[in-house]
Amino acid sequence: EVQLVESGGGLVQLGGSLRLSCAASGFTFSSYWMTWVRQAPGKGLEWVANIKEDGSKKNYVDSVKGRFTISRDNAKNSLYLQMDSLRAEDAAVYYCATDRASFTFNIWGQGTMVIVS
Amino acid sequence: QSALTQPPSASGSPGQSVTISCTGTSSDIGGYNFVSWYQQHPGKAPKLIIYEVSKRPSGVPDRFSGSKSGNTASLTVSGLQAEDEADYHCCSFGGSGGFGGGTKLTVL
Repeated sequence: EVQLVESGGGLVQLGGSLRLSCAASGFTFSSYWMTWVRQAPGKGLEWVANIKEDGSKKNYVDSVKGRFTISRDNAKNSLYLQMDSLRAEDAAVYYCATDRASFTFNIWGQGTMVIVS
Repeated sequence: QSALTQPPSASGSPGQSVTISCTGTSSDIGGYNFVSWYQQHPGKAPKLIIYEVSKRPSGVPDRFSGSKSGNTASLTVSGLQAEDEADYHCCSFGGSGGFGGGTKLTVL
């Protein structure tokens, strides 16, 4: 079964850090760009960051540049998002997703919630 | 502030058709044929229903169709059914490369 499972969300203090993980199964993880998308309560989707198949290119939305780091381990079929200096506006459900081509997200995880207090 | 502009709400009766618009710029929607649409039911993850403007993934009913004209993309849901009630999000490659604010579709 094709699946993405996020973990690592939770309650964190303002200025704190959190590391999200996304475990992939049922498909060739190393063949896809991977993306993190977030959704604040009652709001729309926001693209956060993406990473090339081999990890050689990474892109971030301006609001998280310098604070968040996306990475991947193809040997472990895993995607990560290190979040530092967390702000109130970072509170959201974070989804990982595969990007089949130029911002076309065809496989999504169930999401993990980040609460910043 | 979302990269793309969608109406916050839309509605229709069962069996009717509804069209949701998504307006961007020549740097995103107008410049590329990488517009996608996602359906999201409450408490669930988004689901891809349209990609590359008008293509449907396997398993998505042909009641869902997509199109584009200039800087505006559109999603049409024909023959509305109760289960179509959900939030719909557009997305485009290019420019700031992001999503619209989402449209809540209500089936009356």
